[in-house]
Amino acid sequence: AQKVTQAQTEISVVEKEDVTLDCVYETRDTTYYLFWYKQPPSGELVFLIRRNSFDEQNEISGRYSWNFQKSTSSFNFTITASQVVDSAVYFCALSAYNQGGKLIFGQGTELSVKP
Amino acid sequence: DAGVIQSPRHEVTEMGQEVTLRCKPISGHDYLFWYRQTMMRGLELLIYFNNNVPIDDSGMPEDRFSAKMPNASFSTLKIQPSEPRDSAVYFCASTKERQGGEAFFGQGTRLTVV
Repeated sequence: AQKVTQAQTEISVVEKEDVTLDCVYETRDTTYYLFWYKQPPSGELVFLIRRNSFDEQNEISGRYSWNFQKSTSSFNFTITASQVVDSAVYFCALSAYNQGGKLIFGQGTELSVKP
Repeated sequence: DAGVIQSPRHEVTEMGQEVTLRCKPISGHDYLFWYRQTMMRGLELLIYFNNNVPIDDSGMPEDRFSAKMPNASFSTLKIQPSEPRDSAVYFCASTKERQGGEAFFGQGTRLTVV
């Protein structure tokens, strides 16, 4: 069975603080893909990043960075110097090989960045 | 491309009525997905299609739900009869890659059954 766990339901920070959103996944497949999506208050789902199981390199994109560790089955997301516009619900998701892009989502972490 | 287009954006209907949600995927995307988002269950896959053929409908909650994809540019999700517990946001998404492709989501349809 495949599962994604985002243990942090809600996080509240003050602007300019760094914040890390945790994601732990379970799968028996050796080939799989991990994703992060952002859902702002307007409701749409916005793709942030994709990682395949063979690429454990960390990635940085502006203020965003992702840490993928197969040894702990984790794919954590860090926002540096958070801004009010980062307030949203963030979803981690898993897609296994040969699943045609079917996504298993975590429950989401609601991030609130206060000025 | 305009992205994945869903209609209507909002739907309010009375219990027992038929509801039809519509989706136009991105041109060239061979995979289409219907997800449902609720507070209790989060985001869950209902059904997905590949080249207009339903591949996995194990997430469809019961026989009241049905989905079709008559051609590559149009899909519907129908609920008949609707019940208050069907109230949710329904998302359509499409992707062109079989393995681990980025799924592009529509704006969603917020369904309220009263």
